[in-house]
Amino acid sequence: GAGVSQSPSNKVTEKGKDVELRCDPISGHTALYWYRQSLGQGLEFLIYFQGNSAPDKSGLPSDRFSAERTGGSVSTLTIQRTQQEDSAVYLCASSLAPGSGGETQYFGPGTRLLVL
Amino acid sequence: AQKITQTQPGMFVQEKEAVTLDCTYDTSDPSYGLFWYKQPSSGEMIFLIYQGSYDQQNATEGRYSLNFQKARKSANLVISASQLGDSAMYFCAMREPEGNNRLAFGKGNQVVVIP
Repeated sequence: GAGVSQSPSNKVTEKGKDVELRCDPISGHTALYWYRQSLGQGLEFLIYFQGNSAPDKSGLPSDRFSAERTGGSVSTLTIQRTQQEDSAVYLCASSLAPGSGGETQYFGPGTRLLVL
Repeated sequence: AQKITQTQPGMFVQEKEAVTLDCTYDTSDPSYGLFWYKQPSSGEMIFLIYQGSYDQQNATEGRYSLNFQKARKSANLVISASQLGDSAMYFCAMREPEGNNRLAFGKGNQVVVIP
């Protein structure tokens, strides 16, 4: 079956612009995660969605970052007023619901963001 | 505090040889999960193997096995019969239930398989 898909695969933007990154999880996966991978910080958790529950936003680095998940499926990560330190690979992952016994997270190919 | 530690420098391994990648973890929760992912130069994160904290047996998946030593809090990955396509970064990660199942990753091990 289809895996996690992300778009765009690459994004170059100018400092101060807003960007939107999209994630389409595996069908039937109710849990969705965003991570960021940068050279200096490694892989960091950003935000977690599970079903209709309130998201866990504890990993978002600043209020310029926000995410939503519409209809329990597709998610969009928005970065407002981008800064050069936002340059990184943004990875999305999905899994079955926690506690279901199938919590392995499967990752998408990532979006490589470069802020000039 | 760092929860997952991977400290080995980049490793070169001869094709068809086995390689062991070290991972130690830190948690006070009795219920947790440990994962290994492979990230080739193309960038995608590929799931390799999973070990639950209550699993009695070490996990195996094809050429991958996990040497789980709970008392030492280590979860080393063993790749047997290395292939050229195994050249990649390998990440150890831990899932903690109280962390909303988010994954905490180590910094990774670079493996290069040489013919």
